[in-house]
Amino acid sequence: EVQLLESGGGLIQPGGSLRLSCAASGFTFSTYAMSWVRQAPGKGLEWVSIISDRGGDQHYADSVKGRFSLSRDNSKNTLYLQMDSLRADDTAVYFCAKGSGDSYPKSREFDCWGQGTLVTVSS
Amino acid sequence: DIQMTQSPSSLSASVGDRVTITCRASQGINYYLAWFQQKPGKAPKSLIYATSNLQSGVPSKFSGSGSGTDFTLTISSLQPEDFATYYCQQYNSFPLTFGGGTKVEI
Repeated sequence: EVQLLESGGGLIQPGGSLRLSCAASGFTFSTYAMSWVRQAPGKGLEWVSIISDRGGDQHYADSVKGRFSLSRDNSKNTLYLQMDSLRADDTAVYFCAKGSGDSYPKSREFDCWGQGTLVTVSS
Repeated sequence: DIQMTQSPSSLSASVGDRVTITCRASQGINYYLAWFQQKPGKAPKSLIYATSNLQSGVPSKFSGSGSGTDFTLTISSLQPEDFATYYCQQYNSFPLTFGGGTKVEI
């Protein structure tokens, strides 16, 4: 069974940094692209970032470009989202999502989601 | 960026109803359109990819259609477990973008 378990969320002051993790199991992690999607309280879904199966290619939403960095450790089956210079509007539940393949378009087709981790940016 | 517009933003329906949700893209996205279901406090669930293909385990009462810029999600016979918010998403180009959601209520 595919499982994605996010961790690392919490309360952080504006301007601070946080690193989220997504631990994957039940599939060959190293052969699938992975993404982060966030949802502000009471709002809709917003795509944040995607990373290729081997980690060599990433794309970011303009709202986080230059502040967030996506990486993965395929030996640990774990996805990471380093979030710097956090702002109040980064407050959201962050979900990791698995692509259904390693190349376009399958890499962008989400077939499984984690339960999410809440990030609250507030002083 | 490609804007995704869903309509309606909410709808009231009854068990057994046939429900259709529309999603319009601001430019052509080929058939790279997905649908997700989300219940309160839960993670989204993937329903459909590439406009009309059901994800594994998704019941056949869900169906998707469309092309170019106009797409629809249909639930053939609404059941209590289908009351949720539904989102469309384009993945033709970056940034990947979602529609604003359609809340299906009793």
